[in-house]
Amino acid sequence: GENVEQHPSTLSVQEGDSAVIKCTYSDSASNYFPWYKQELGKRPQLIIDIRSNVGEKKDQRIAVTLNKTAKHFSLHITETQPEDSAVYFCAALFSGGYNKLIFGAGTRLAVHP
Amino acid sequence: NAGVTQTPKFQVLKTGQSMTLQCAQDMNHNSMYWYRQDPGMGLRLIYYSASEGTTDKGEVPNGYNVSRLNKREFSLRLESAAPSQTSVYFCASSEAAGATNEKLFFGSGTQLSVL
Repeated sequence: GENVEQHPSTLSVQEGDSAVIKCTYSDSASNYFPWYKQELGKRPQLIIDIRSNVGEKKDQRIAVTLNKTAKHFSLHITETQPEDSAVYFCAALFSGGYNKLIFGAGTRLAVHP
Repeated sequence: NAGVTQTPKFQVLKTGQSMTLQCAQDMNHNSMYWYRQDPGMGLRLIYYSASEGTTDKGEVPNGYNVSRLNKREFSLRLESAAPSQTSVYFCASSEAAGATNEKLFFGSGTQLSVL
């Protein structure tokens, strides 16, 4: 079936530390893996994405890595700041008829000053 | 451009009542989606419309119906609301399902409580 598992469900770090969130997916044919950030009471917004033809992508303090063989991908946030506190969702694009994004359950990240 | 607009923002229903959540996008996107968000369960796809004139079931379609009224509008209907449908509902759109750009643009959400 179409499934994305995300760990951990909660993550607490000190300001300046790094945070890592991991996801695994079930469909080896998936080729698009985005990450969304949702601040409290707000809508989810795309922060970074990666396609299966690359293994890593960086954008300032955030990076995503992909291991297609193992079917997992990770979000890395370096030098965390209090404004990084939010819920982060990974997702994978599943094909079959029409492509559709399936999301992980989310990780609540708290960055403490 | 307003992006994705959904109404209402809040709604309280009694069990058995019906209602329609409205969604409209002004980005000329082909694909539209309805998700529900429950604590600890992330965003689960209810229904989606890959293009005008088509709709398809997602992960949790039971108890819902949808209508792709035109390219801009995609509504979600609860015919007989149940407490299990208490959730936050998000509408989203993307340029096209299966295209190279799958970025989703979300509406601001509807908080629905069914008593």
